[in-house]
Amino acid sequence: GAGVSQTPSNKVTEKGKYVELRCDPISGHTALYWYRQSLGQGPEFLIYFQGTGAADDSGLPNDRFFAVRPEGSVSTLKIQRTERGDSAVYLCASSLTLLGQGAQTEAFFGQGTRLTVV
Amino acid sequence: AQSVTQLGSHVSVSEGALVLLRCNYSSSVPPYLFWYVQYPNQGLQLLLKYTSAATLVKGINGFEAEFKKSETSFHLTKPSAHMSDAAEYFCAVSDQEGAQKLVFGQGTRLTINP
Repeated sequence: GAGVSQTPSNKVTEKGKYVELRCDPISGHTALYWYRQSLGQGPEFLIYFQGTGAADDSGLPNDRFFAVRPEGSVSTLKIQRTERGDSAVYLCASSLTLLGQGAQTEAFFGQGTRLTVV
Repeated sequence: AQSVTQLGSHVSVSEGALVLLRCNYSSSVPPYLFWYVQYPNQGLQLLLKYTSAATLVKGINGFEAEFKKSETSFHLTKPSAHMSDAAEYFCAVSDQEGAQKLVFGQGTRLTINP
């Protein structure tokens, strides 16, 4: 597609439930990122994929959060046993990362999924 | 560890006036610095980035930013504000050339008065 697509755009779930958030990156982009943006805050890094593997997952807050990218394209962020504190906008971005040309890459962000845990 | 401080969560200027959004960073390695803009109900869009090629960086929509190592600053400016500039602006820092693992500031909401 033309841009990064995230679905659903809004998700309301009950405390304790499991949710999956989907990200479709720009076609051909090898790098994919997940960020979380709480109300009134800047985005916070969660995880970064290069191809199918998670190159850096140091931002995942705890083991309830997990992300996959099995075929190096679409990614799913999974949250188990959701808590009210998980409520935020989850942003996905992708970029075309070329070896030795990192300075020229730009991350393109999707519109985000607004997750509300009630 | 890296961090970004944006001075002023809200900035209001008149149409045609100078826009100045402040950003100070902390980094133990030479930083890569970015400014993003977020319009309502839209994704983050890159305005400009500093990657050590030049200290004065020009971006889209008439914005520019100057990297000042001595002041650890990367302030965003535009000579003449337009109504369409009203949005949330985020400064971000990375220790890598690409966009991986950006550390964002809290954002500054820019309001333009007619």
